[in-house]
Amino acid sequence: GAGVSQSPSNKVTEKGKDVELRCDPISGHTALYWYRQSLGQGLEFLIYFQGNSAPDKSGLPSDRFSAERTGGSVSTLTIQRTQQEDSAVYLCASSLTGAVYGYTFGSGTRLTVV
Amino acid sequence: GDSVTQMEGPVTLSEEAFLTINCTYTATGYPSLFWYVQYPGEGLQLLLKATKADDKGSNKGFEATYRKETTSFHLEKGSVQVSDSAVYFCALKSSGGGADGLTFGKGTHLIIQP
Repeated sequence: GAGVSQSPSNKVTEKGKDVELRCDPISGHTALYWYRQSLGQGLEFLIYFQGNSAPDKSGLPSDRFSAERTGGSVSTLTIQRTQQEDSAVYLCASSLTGAVYGYTFGSGTRLTVV
Repeated sequence: GDSVTQMEGPVTLSEEAFLTINCTYTATGYPSLFWYVQYPGEGLQLLLKATKADDKGSNKGFEATYRKETTSFHLEKGSVQVSDSAVYFCALKSSGGGADGLTFGKGTHLIIQP
């Protein structure tokens, strides 16, 4: 597609439920990133996928968080047993490989845990 | 490791004022430098970039010059408008190997008053 697509755009869930957030990157972009942005805060790196390499999971805040990227394209971020502190905007970005390329971000998924 | 430091906000200016948002960096190798903008309720958009020393990135009246001697990439605009109100993120992407990811500053919230 023309841009990075994220769904849903908004998600309200009850504490303790599992949620899945989807990211469809730009076709041909080998790198895909997930970030979290809490209200009034900067960007918190979560996970990074590069081609067929093992993902960099160093930013995942707990083992309740996991992500996969199928076929080098679509990615799903899963949060199990959601907590209120998980409420945030989850941003996905993709890019070509190389230092000169910036990211293209999706519009994000606003997650509210009640 | 790589890091980006930008001025804390919020920065409040009147319409048509001159804008400077400071950004300095620490990086290995020869990074590319970026400014991203996030309008209310939206994802991040690439505003401008520079990929080597002394390059000037420009877009929508904004400019930033890659200064290797001062490790800076300050964002400037000669006459701001209310529509420029947003959060601005400075970022770098290192060519020194390792994860091919952007390192972001914490963001500067800009408020333009009519």
